[in-house]
Amino acid sequence: DIVMTQSPDSLAVSLGERATINCKSSQSVISSSNNKNCLAWYQQKPGQPPKLLFYWASTRESGVPDRFSGSGSGTDFTLTISSLQAEDVAVYYCQQSYSTPRTFGQGTKVEIK
Amino acid sequence: EIQVVESGGGLVQPGGSLRLSCAASGFTFSNHWMSWVRQAPGKGLEWVANIKEDGSEKNYVDSVKGRFTISRDNARNSLYLQMNTLRAEDTAVYYCATGTYYHGAWGQGTRVTVSS
Repeated sequence: DIVMTQSPDSLAVSLGERATINCKSSQSVISSSNNKNCLAWYQQKPGQPPKLLFYWASTRESGVPDRFSGSGSGTDFTLTISSLQAEDVAVYYCQQSYSTPRTFGQGTKVEIK
Repeated sequence: EIQVVESGGGLVQPGGSLRLSCAASGFTFSNHWMSWVRQAPGKGLEWVANIKEDGSEKNYVDSVKGRFTISRDNARNSLYLQMNTLRAEDTAVYYCATGTYYHGAWGQGTRVTVSS
């Protein structure tokens, strides 16, 4: 199974400041069939289901604010919130879809400092 | 509007069975892989299973293989998860989600509690 490791487990950022979440996979998640990174990012707010933010590592889902960006390739990926807003308080997960079982990172909790 | 709505959760004793359902609307269900993802209380997300558009391919996480069965009825736009020989560690909110490479739509989840 591919192990997804996120860092940090939690972070506190001041409003308007940058938040950076890292996700590392135990092996490359680049698909040979389409040359895409099989990596998605989700946001989960308390009491709500997860919400898709990015797929193929950097393709923003419709409606996701552009202060969010996804980057990386191979085994190392990053989710960046360029200017943290109060509504961004949530737990963020990465997930690989290169192979089954699909695996998630352990989650990163983002709070306001 | 794409919508998936789970049902069928509840309290069940260890060793018991439960069948979860997911009703889909707002998209062509038969054209999409579907997945189940669960979340134990206070824990992270765990992918459970997925099923191909026509039901011809199914995949499971090792911890549920041989106990859970994913299925679908494209005529009814419905996804199912038959859960047998339930264990305490299966206690979680179970989400139905669209897709296999990424999950664009999620339901609100249905809670399964395995306890005596």
